[in-house]
Amino acid sequence: EPEVTQTPSHQVTQMGQEVILRCVPISNHLYFYWYRQILGQKVEFLVSFYNNEISEKSEIFDDQFSVERPDGSNFTLKIRSTKLEDSAMYFCASSVGRPGGHGYTFGSGTRLTVV
Amino acid sequence: AQSVTQLDSHVSVSEGTPVLLRCNYSSSYSPSLFWYVQHPNKGLQLLLKYTSAATLVKGINGFEAEFKKSETSFHLTKPSAHMSDAAEYFCVVSDGANAGKSTFGDGTTLTVKP
Repeated sequence: EPEVTQTPSHQVTQMGQEVILRCVPISNHLYFYWYRQILGQKVEFLVSFYNNEISEKSEIFDDQFSVERPDGSNFTLKIRSTKLEDSAMYFCASSVGRPGGHGYTFGSGTRLTVV
Repeated sequence: AQSVTQLDSHVSVSEGTPVLLRCNYSSSYSPSLFWYVQHPNKGLQLLLKYTSAATLVKGINGFEAEFKKSETSFHLTKPSAHMSDAAEYFCVVSDGANAGKSTFGDGTTLTVKP
């Protein structure tokens, strides 16, 4: 069964450093997303991406965050200058159509720890 | 606007007994509703989805959910719990106005006792 692949599974970074989280969505999917889950809290929407541009973003997704689909297969989330509160599990997801009709396929997540 | 409320943060059942995880939703448009499961240190797996077809939806691992518009509910059930069902369960709503994102409930932790 097709999978969404996320790398690395765990990343530790120092506060103020840039970090890039990588995702390979399912090949025929057209919509891509990042969600995050701070330990013990609910899963929160960050951003959706379609047709090479951001289609929607949350208030969490400020200027420190950016997304990119650099080569037609990877989908990346960059945090420019990490803060302690960015520590969370970050999930990439993709869907063949809008999530309202299909739901997501999620990756296994990247646990980001900012120290 | 869309929102979802999972009425129980923790549910504990004995193996072989029925499971009921409750979810109420709010949506300005005709919603699509989903249940996801998250096992410890794992990603999120889609259990089942409602997208305006049949109101009783069957998913994987024997789970099913019924969409009740009059009650704005989408409760998840399973006739007989198995130890492997112990996990965190999320009810998720997505409506036409916010098709770019979905809203997750706070989650329900299901414990299955032997």
